[in-house]
Amino acid sequence: AQSVTQLDSHVSVSEGTPVLLRCNYSSSYSPSLFWYVQHPNKGLQLLLKYTSAATLVKGINGFEAEFKKSETSFHLTKPSAHMSDAAEYFCVVSDPIGDMRFGAGTRLTVKP
Amino acid sequence: DTAVSQTPKYLVTQMGNDKSIKCEQNLGHDTMYWYKQDSKKFLKIMFSYNNKELIINETVPNRFSPKSPDKAHLNLHINSLELGDSAVYFCASSHNRYHYGYTFGSGTRLTVV
Repeated sequence: AQSVTQLDSHVSVSEGTPVLLRCNYSSSYSPSLFWYVQHPNKGLQLLLKYTSAATLVKGINGFEAEFKKSETSFHLTKPSAHMSDAAEYFCVVSDPIGDMRFGAGTRLTVKP
Repeated sequence: DTAVSQTPKYLVTQMGNDKSIKCEQNLGHDTMYWYKQDSKKFLKIMFSYNNKELIINETVPNRFSPKSPDKAHLNLHINSLELGDSAVYFCASSHNRYHYGYTFGSGTRLTVV
C-alpha cells in the first residue's frame, strides 16, 4: 500500500518570497513521485516528476523538488513566488504497476 | 489542439436522469482514466482502460459504466444520477499503464439538482 500526505492544506506567501509545499510519502516499493498544479476551474498540469534518476528534479515555471528517501519526503519549492502561482498543488505517488495516489492538495495563495 | 478533451465542460441535471461524459485524447496514449474530484478537491480514481481493456475498477457504484470504443476514447455513462454524484470528473491519459505522468483533461463539472 502507498499513500501521500501533504502537510499543509493552505500556504500563503507574499509575491517574491520563497514557496515551500511539503509532501511526505509512504510506499512499499521504489516510488515515482509527481507534483501537479490545478489552477481555478482548470485541469491538472504536471509540474515535475521523480522516477529514480536525479534526486533534485526541476520542473516548469521555476519549481523544483527534492526526493529524500531517508525522510520519505518530496517537498516542492520555488525561490520567488509569482501571482500566477496561486493554485492548488497535488503531490502524487505511484508504484511500479501504475497505481497512483493523490494527496489531499495544498492551496497556495500569493499576496501582492 | 487539445491533447485530452472532455465534453461537456458543465452539466446540470436532475436526480434520476442518465447522462454521459465523453473523453478523447490525440496523444497516441495507450491508457486512459476517469477521476472524480469532490468538493474538498480530493481526487479519487474510478476507472482505467489500457488499449480498450478495463484494468482498474475501483469501488464505484455500478450506476457508473465506462466505455472505451477505441484507445483514443473513454466515455463515462452514469445512470440514475444522485445528489452525491455532483463533482468534477477528470479524464486523463498516459503513455501506458506503467506511466510516468498523466495528461489531464480540463474537467467536467457535474451538478445534480
